[in-house]
Amino acid sequence: DAMVIQNPRYQVTQFGKPVTLSCSQTLNHNVMYWYQQKSSQAPKLLFHYYDKDFNNEADTPDNFQSRRPNTSFCFLDIRSPGLGDAAMYLCATSRDRGGGADTQYFGPGTRLTVL
Amino acid sequence: AQKITQTQPGMFVQEKEAVTLDCTYDTSDPSYGLFWYKQPSSGEMIFLIYQGSYDQQNATEGRYSLNFQKARKSANLVISASQLGDSAMYFCAMREVYSSASKIIFGSGTRLSIRP
Repeated sequence: DAMVIQNPRYQVTQFGKPVTLSCSQTLNHNVMYWYQQKSSQAPKLLFHYYDKDFNNEADTPDNFQSRRPNTSFCFLDIRSPGLGDAAMYLCATSRDRGGGADTQYFGPGTRLTVL
Repeated sequence: AQKITQTQPGMFVQEKEAVTLDCTYDTSDPSYGLFWYKQPSSGEMIFLIYQGSYDQQNATEGRYSLNFQKARKSANLVISASQLGDSAMYFCAMREVYSSASKIIFGSGTRLSIRP
């Protein structure tokens, strides 16, 4: 089945130690998104790629970076994780970024713990 | 600016009963899409149903239906014959079609608990 895959499902890192989260998709969608979701809150968009075009949200900290080496893969890099970065990180894809029922499909998420 | 409001932080419903989750929205864009997602405790956001602003009929997907009242700017989710597996967090979301980023805005969510 076509899907959005995130690895790992659970990630533990130390304060200040760089960490990379991975997302891949078999949907061949043009757009890939990264969201941060803290406990009992709505997901918050960090940035998205429209093909190779990177779009950062204005309030996303510089500590968060992303790479999309090809259509299928997208990575979230946290350069120096702080305790406040502990959260669920959700990857999503959509065929395009506007018009009609262009639904975003989410992966299972990576739960990040910062010690 | 677009905004989504879910006024029910939590709801308890008896199994097999129908349940309505409220959602109101605010936008100045004439063209927009409304979505409902389910998030079980495992964390995955599962797409449930979509309603376009120009759709004449309310969307339905199996046990899910969307009660779309455009003049009142509401898009309530109705789940018929609730099941234990429906226990989850439910998010209402909106996307303005013509905004430059076309990003989805989520409401704060409603935690639904189904009692056996």
